[in-house]
Amino acid sequence: KNQVEQSPQSLIILEGKNCTLQCNYTVSPFSNLRWYKQDTGRGPVSLTIMTFSENTKSNGRYTATLDADTKQSSLHITASQLSDSASYICVVSAGNRDDKIIFGKGTRLHILP
Amino acid sequence: NAGVTQTPKFRVLKTGQSMTLLCAQDMNHEYMYWYRQDPGMGLRLIHYSVGEGTTAKGEVPDGYNVSRLKKQNFLLGLESAAPSQTSVYFCASSPQPSGGLYNEQFFGPGTRLTVL
Repeated sequence: KNQVEQSPQSLIILEGKNCTLQCNYTVSPFSNLRWYKQDTGRGPVSLTIMTFSENTKSNGRYTATLDADTKQSSLHITASQLSDSASYICVVSAGNRDDKIIFGKGTRLHILP
Repeated sequence: NAGVTQTPKFRVLKTGQSMTLLCAQDMNHEYMYWYRQDPGMGLRLIHYSVGEGTTAKGEVPDGYNVSRLKKQNFLLGLESAAPSQTSVYFCASSPQPSGGLYNEQFFGPGTRLTVL
């Protein structure tokens, strides 16, 4: 069964600290993986996309990694800011005729001043 | 560009009432989606469309109907609302299907629906 599991469910850190969010998936065949950021009261916005051949990709203070062998991805946030408070959703796309897109339930990140 | 817009932003219905949620996109995207988001459940796909005049069922289609008469619009209908349909509804559009590199989904701001 295609599944995307994220951990932790929620996380609280102090402003300026780093953190890492995890995403494990069992989607097959794998096409790509996206991380979305969802601010409270808004729709999700894509941060980055990872394909099978990519190990690391950065977008400012956000760095995503992908290990296609273990089917794991992480999103590392460096020097967190109050504006990073949001839900982060891992989304995996299957590369087949069904065009499946499987959403994780997200990690709720709270940044404290 | 306005991107993806949704109307209304908020709505309160009584059980049994009907309503239509409108989604519009100005990016000329072929693919459009309707999701619901409930606490602890994440985003769940209700229906989607791969082009004008087409619709398909997603993960949780019961109690909903959709239409895509124009490429830029995707309508979600509730014929007889139930309290279980209380949720936040998001519309999204994408230029490519899931397997494409340009499969980023652009989401609207959401509609918060309460069914009493």
